[in-house]
Amino acid sequence: KAGVTQTPRYLIKTRGQQVTLSCSPISGHRSVSWYQQTPGQGLQFLFEYFSETQRNKGNFPGRFSGRQFSNSRSEMNVSTLELGDSALYLCASSLGDPTGTNYGYTFGSGTRLTVV
Amino acid sequence: GEDVEQSLFLSVREGDSSVINCTYTDSSSTYLYWYKQEPGAGLQLLTYIFSNMDMKQDQRLTVLLNKKDKHLSLRIADTQTGDSAIYFCAERRSSASKIIFGSGTRLSIRP
Repeated sequence: KAGVTQTPRYLIKTRGQQVTLSCSPISGHRSVSWYQQTPGQGLQFLFEYFSETQRNKGNFPGRFSGRQFSNSRSEMNVSTLELGDSALYLCASSLGDPTGTNYGYTFGSGTRLTVV
Repeated sequence: GEDVEQSLFLSVREGDSSVINCTYTDSSSTYLYWYKQEPGAGLQLLTYIFSNMDMKQDQRLTVLLNKKDKHLSLRIADTQTGDSAIYFCAERRSSASKIIFGSGTRLSIRP
């Protein structure tokens, strides 16, 4: 089955602009989580969506938002971009039931965002 | 807290064993994972272990868990150049869906 697909792979934006990143999870996976990866901060959890509802949220400003559609595809949006938002944004999908013994994340290849 | 800590770098000779260590703070962590990230790629799940286990072996990989000390390790036997990557330790509590990652250990292989 197809893996987790993130688009686009690369983006260059200027400060002040906004950006939307897309993630298509593995078929049958209902949960999508987003992480920001930077050399200095490592992997930072942004948020998780399950059945179109935000289930968990990390410590990021309100400029970072997301949503999930009925087909489980998810988008994240960053408004008023800052230089510090330059990072690799990773999406991970999972079945969504954390009580299941096979619960785990499958990651996409990420979207590398550069803000200039 | 939700800290997961790892050393940043490890260098081993090709053919030797690599041991990557991780400590976590949440005593209620029930699932512990090891992920591998190669350059330009996302994270790939290598293996996971439940907290009621002490050890798990999968081909060249051996995971050891010391729950009392909240210490997790990943041993890679007969390390090859293709093992060069960043290895992330991660934890999750049984009822939680969020997975917390360590900062990653960069494994480099020398000839």
